[in-house]
Amino acid sequence: GQQLNQSPQSMFIQEGEDVSMNCTSSSIFNTWLWYKQDPGEGPVLLIALYKAGELTSNGRLTAQFGITRKDSFLNISASIPSDVGIYFCAGQPGTQGGSEKLVFGKGTKLTVNP
Amino acid sequence: NAGVTQTPKFRILKIGQSMTLQCTQDMNHNYMYWYRQDPGMGLKLIYYSVGAGITDKGEVPNGYNVSRSTTEDFPLRLELAAPSQTSVYFCASRMGYQPQHFGDGTRLSIL
Repeated sequence: GQQLNQSPQSMFIQEGEDVSMNCTSSSIFNTWLWYKQDPGEGPVLLIALYKAGELTSNGRLTAQFGITRKDSFLNISASIPSDVGIYFCAGQPGTQGGSEKLVFGKGTKLTVNP
Repeated sequence: NAGVTQTPKFRILKIGQSMTLQCTQDMNHNYMYWYRQDPGMGLKLIYYSVGAGITDKGEVPNGYNVSRSTTEDFPLRLELAAPSQTSVYFCASRMGYQPQHFGDGTRLSIL
């Protein structure tokens, strides 16, 4: 099946630093989503991207839909302790009959040291 | 507006027991999904539904069953619990091409 390669697997940073993570695939996706999961909770949507080349911001978060439609990245600027959590990318395939489902990356675990 | 509600939040089962994980949404979403999340493995799709009366298998359906008799509810059934089904289970829903909204999960241990 389709897979997303998300990297890095984990990051340990100091408060105030910028963070960058990305997802790549050998397949084309029509939509890219970025979710954050706090301990003991379900994933919460951060940013949704619907068009190749699209660059979207949500506060200190910025995400881009790669021009090839096979990748996406998420940047967090000036990290704060509450940014701690697991960040997941998810892609909606462009194949016929596949648009109902999302493919998820394995997550990037972010730790922010005060 | 409660969103996606999952019950129970925690459960311990013995091998061979059965149980139903409940999921309900009050957003009139047509699509509903069940995922399992194992440590370091992201989310894997078990079953999904595109509307009441319609269900389909995802990536890891073995050992599970679902039904969708109403728009609001999408229960997940484990008939013969096995240790390999120890996981965190998430239900999600969406409308049309909007992003999926997730519940807070059910943590299931099978001993």
